[in-house]
Amino acid sequence: GAVVSQHPSRVICKSGTSVKIECRSLDFQATTMFWYRQFPKQSLMLMATSNEGSKATYEQGVEKDKFLINHASLTLSTLTVTSAHPEDSSFYICSARDPSRRGNTEAFFGQGTRLTVV
Amino acid sequence: AQRVTQPEKLLSVFKGAPVELKCNYSYSGSPELFWYVQYSRQRLQLLLRHISRESIKGFTADLNKGETSFHLKKPFAQEEDSAMYYCALRHGTGTASKLTFGTGTRLQVTL
Repeated sequence: GAVVSQHPSRVICKSGTSVKIECRSLDFQATTMFWYRQFPKQSLMLMATSNEGSKATYEQGVEKDKFLINHASLTLSTLTVTSAHPEDSSFYICSARDPSRRGNTEAFFGQGTRLTVV
Repeated sequence: AQRVTQPEKLLSVFKGAPVELKCNYSYSGSPELFWYVQYSRQRLQLLLRHISRESIKGFTADLNKGETSFHLKKPFAQEEDSAMYYCALRHGTGTASKLTFGTGTRLQVTL
């Protein structure tokens, strides 16, 4: 099946610093990728839709300047958490669909990135 | 706006017992529903989708538009079914269509 890979899987950073999370589609090209945030024992909340070659679309309540998204190629989207604070600590997950698959409705998920801000 | 509701946070059953994980949705358009599963220390993966009308690992789910439900069922639970289950609703069109997830139900199968 299609594989989506995230890096790093875990990161600890100091308050005030920025951290970048990468999401790659390994065996397919994705014009669109999705970034989710998952709090402990809660559901996945869509943060933004990453669009290759254009600006990301953010969900209501998500700060664009805080969570910078770049989708520079058909296989890579990055999420940068800027000036991180402890409340940004969370599990971040990306997903994408493979447009070459029939129906193209199944979303493939990365393994997630555990961000801890100290 | 669309919404997916999973009323149970935890469902604990004995091995061999029937399982039903509840999911209700609200959506003004034509719904497309999925069940995703997350096993311990693994990524989220698709279990089944309503349009396929198939049984995966013994699980089935029928879309009931009258009751706006998409409950996940299995006649005989196995230990390996223990996992987190999320019901999801797809809305929008094309590759940019989005998924709205329920809060998830943890299924715990015990001996």
